[in-house]
Amino acid sequence: GQQVMQIPQYQHVQEGEDFTTYCNSSTTLSNIQWYKQRPGGHPVFLIQLVKSGEVKKQKRLTFQFGEAKKNSSLHITATQTTDVGTYFCAGGPGGGADGLTFGKGTHLIIQP
Amino acid sequence: NAGVTQTPKFRVLKTGQSMTLLCAQDMNHEYMYWYRQDPGMGLRLIHYSVGEGTTAKGEVPDGYNVSRLKKQNFLLGLESAAPSQTSVYFCASSYSNRLQGYEQYFGPGTRLTVT
Repeated sequence: GQQVMQIPQYQHVQEGEDFTTYCNSSTTLSNIQWYKQRPGGHPVFLIQLVKSGEVKKQKRLTFQFGEAKKNSSLHITATQTTDVGTYFCAGGPGGGADGLTFGKGTHLIIQP
Repeated sequence: NAGVTQTPKFRVLKTGQSMTLLCAQDMNHEYMYWYRQDPGMGLRLIHYSVGEGTTAKGEVPDGYNVSRLKKQNFLLGLESAAPSQTSVYFCASSYSNRLQGYEQYFGPGTRLTVT
């Protein structure tokens, strides 16, 4: 079945440093979604990428979808303590209608 | 709108006991899902439903059953709980958007411990 791999598993940064997490799928995706989960919370949708090579920005967050639609990245510029949490990428052959396959997530730990 | 709600929030079961987790959404979403989250494993799909009266198996369906008798509710049942089912269970719902995919809205989760 489809596998979604995400690296790194943990990332420690000093507040103000940049952060990047990478996601790779074993199969071509129709779209890729990113979620954030705060400690003790539930996953919250961040963004969806659909087109090959697409780049989207949300304030300090930049999301990219690879040309082959099998990989993606999330980059956070100048991290803040509010960025703490686990970031997941997720995809599904049907775009998510029949559920998503999640990566294991990257835990972002910020040291003030 | 309450969004997606789950009951109960916490539960402790003994091995062999049964229980039902309830998920309700008030967004009129067609699609609903049950995931489990274990440390270091991310979220894994248990079962899902693409509409009232329909259900399908996900990645890890063994030991679970589901029902979607009403569009707004999705029930997850454990007939005979096992310690391996200790986990946090998340329900999610989504709507059909062919252009933008199926953004999922998650409930707050149910923390289940089986002893």
